[in-house]
Amino acid sequence: EPEVTQTPSHQVTQMGQEVILRCVPISNHLYFYWYRQILGQKVEFLVSFYNNEISEKSEIFDDQFSVERPDGSNFTLKIRSTKLEDSAMYFCASNLAGPRTGELFFGEGSRLTVL
Amino acid sequence: GNSVTQMEGPVTLSEEAFLTINCTYTATGYPSLFWYVQYPGEGLQLLLKATKADDKGSNKGFEATYRKETTSFHLEKGSVQVSDSAVYFCALTLGNTDKLIFGTGTRLQVFP
Repeated sequence: EPEVTQTPSHQVTQMGQEVILRCVPISNHLYFYWYRQILGQKVEFLVSFYNNEISEKSEIFDDQFSVERPDGSNFTLKIRSTKLEDSAMYFCASNLAGPRTGELFFGEGSRLTVL
Repeated sequence: GNSVTQMEGPVTLSEEAFLTINCTYTATGYPSLFWYVQYPGEGLQLLLKATKADDKGSNKGFEATYRKETTSFHLEKGSVQVSDSAVYFCALTLGNTDKLIFGTGTRLQVFP
């Protein structure tokens, strides 16, 4: 069964360093998303991406964040200068029919620890 | 603003017990409501959904009814199994946005 895969599963970084989290969405999907969950808090929407551009972003997704689909398979989230409060589990998701259906396919998550 | 509130976990049950996980929401407009489940080592996956008031979503023995009058979408199962041990997330979406709004998740532990 096709699935969304994410790498790395866990990354530890120093404050101020750049981090790239990678995702391979399901191959025929058209809509891509990043969510995050800070420990003990809610899963929060970061950004949605469709047709090679951001379609919506949250207030969390400020200038230090960027997303890219560099080729036909990968979807990346870059954090330019990490802060302690960026420590969280980051989830990539994709779907075929768009966000209104609510049926997103999620990866297992990448845990980011900023020291 | 729009939000989802779930009961605190963990919920600990014996096999074959009845399960209820409470979920209430606040939303402007008419949301669609969802339950997602995350099994250990896996990503979140859609368990069931309901798109309008009084709809009942069901899957794998789980049910939830969209109650507009109480702004609730409680998850129920008549007889849980050890394999149901997971984290359950209630969520909503509105027609004017791309995002799913999630609750904090409720961990369910079922013991034999």
